[in-house]
Amino acid sequence: KNEVEQSPQNLTAQEGEFITINCSYSVGISALHWLQQHPGGGIVSLFMLSSGKKKHGRLIATINIQEKHSSLHITASHPRDSAVYICAVRGGNNNDMRFGAGTRLTVKP
Amino acid sequence: ETGVTQSPTHLIKTRGQQVTLRCSSQSGHNTVSWYQQALGQGPQFIFQYYREEENGRGNFPPRFSGLQFPNYSSELNVNALELDDSALYLCASSFGRRSGANVLTFGAGSRLTVL
Repeated sequence: KNEVEQSPQNLTAQEGEFITINCSYSVGISALHWLQQHPGGGIVSLFMLSSGKKKHGRLIATINIQEKHSSLHITASHPRDSAVYICAVRGGNNNDMRFGAGTRLTVKP
Repeated sequence: ETGVTQSPTHLIKTRGQQVTLRCSSQSGHNTVSWYQQALGQGPQFIFQYYREEENGRGNFPPRFSGLQFPNYSSELNVNALELDDSALYLCASSFGRRSGANVLTFGAGSRLTVL
C-alpha cells in the first residue's frame, strides 16, 4: 500500500461542476502539498498546508490531521483546470517528500 | 524574480552512459530537491541539497549523485545509465533546511530517454 493514496485516479467533469479530489496518507507529516501538473511536465505548487483550510480563487484545500486526509476542491470548473493534480507530504526522518500517483482531471466544455 | 530553470529539456542517452542535469534555483532560495517521475506515475524523491550539502536522500542507488554550488544552483549526475532511468527529472527550490516544509517552486523538468 502506498503511503499517499489519491482518489479518484481519473475524473471527467462538465464545465461548471464542483470537483473534489481526495488524498489519504499513512505517515506522520509536517506539511501537505497540492500540486498541479500540465501536459509537458511542469509542476505548479497550489497549496501547502499543515492544518485547517486554504482558499485561492476557485480552489480550496482542506486537511484533517487526525484522519490523515486532505481534499482539494475546485468550484465552477473550467476546461483550463484540466491537468494532473498531485498530493505530496513531507514525512519521515529523511527530509523526503512522498507523492501520490496523481488524479487526472478533464473538464469538458 | 526568476523561477527555476532546468537544462537540458530533453536528452537521449544509451545504456551505460553518464548524464548531468542542471537546475538553477529561484532567487532567494537556498535548498534544491530532485525528483524522478516515470511515465504515468507520481514523482519520487531522489535527494535534497541545503547550502551545498546533501541533507536528505530517497531510495536511489549511489550512481545517482548531486552537487549544489555557492549560488545554490544544482546538478544531478547519473552514472551507468539503465533503461529504467528513462523519466522526467524535476528539481524544485525552496527556502529552509526542511524539504517540503516550505513552498516549493518547480522547474519544467528534463526528460531523459535511455536507449
